Amino acid sequence: AAGVIQSPRHLIKEKRETATLKCYPIPRHDTVYWYQQGPGQDPQFLISFYEKMQSDKGSIPDRFSAQQFSDYHSELNMSSLELGDSALYFCASSFSNNSPLHFGNGTRLTVT
Amino acid sequence: AQTVTQSQPEMSVQEAETVTLSCTYDTSESDYYLFWYKQPPSRQMILVIRQEAYKQQNATENRFSVNFQKAAKSFSLKISDSQLGDAAMYFCAYRSVNAGNNRKLIWGLGTSLAVNP
Repeated sequence: AAGVIQSPRHLIKEKRETATLKCYPIPRHDTVYWYQQGPGQDPQFLISFYEKMQSDKGSIPDRFSAQQFSDYHSELNMSSLELGDSALYFCASSFSNNSPLHFGNGTRLTVT
Repeated sequence: AQTVTQSQPEMSVQEAETVTLSCTYDTSESDYYLFWYKQPPSRQMILVIRQEAYKQQNATENRFSVNFQKAAKSFSLKISDSQLGDAAMYFCAYRSVNAGNNRKLIWGLGTSLAVNP
């Protein structure tokens, strides 16, 4: 069965650089979520999209932005990167309220 | 606002034995979903089991089962016949069924489970 695909798997950036993370949800899933998980922490919700419209916003810094495209893939754009942005970034997708969230394998971002 | 509490930061179990991970939550909603996710050292986030609040029957998935006590707002995970591959961080999560918004998961802080051979 198709799963949520995230790219890249690993990303190393320097401070003040920009990064773009991509997420391809499971086909026919109508909602995409972005989470940030720091070392030893639970995932922190950043933002979600339902049918290509932003549906909920969490603790996403102003330096970050995200969007969902017509093919339902989503991108998380991160600018002016800081050391504290180093984390595992998960994308998840779901279909309606009746299905659980299915997570991608995550993108590990390291900011040096 | 809903909250999820996992009061056991770490647990351990002997291989082949049974362990129960606890989770409590707080909500004013009557209908919602509860999940247990497993995060092994690979850091993948894997769905273990889910429970719909309107169903009284406890969910079961092979060696994994839950004890859902709606009145007590408790949602514990029981792992039977523990295997070395069960060693992971386990997260309890809540999800509203409110179609308006808030489809996101609300997470507990996790319980790190070690399985001893």
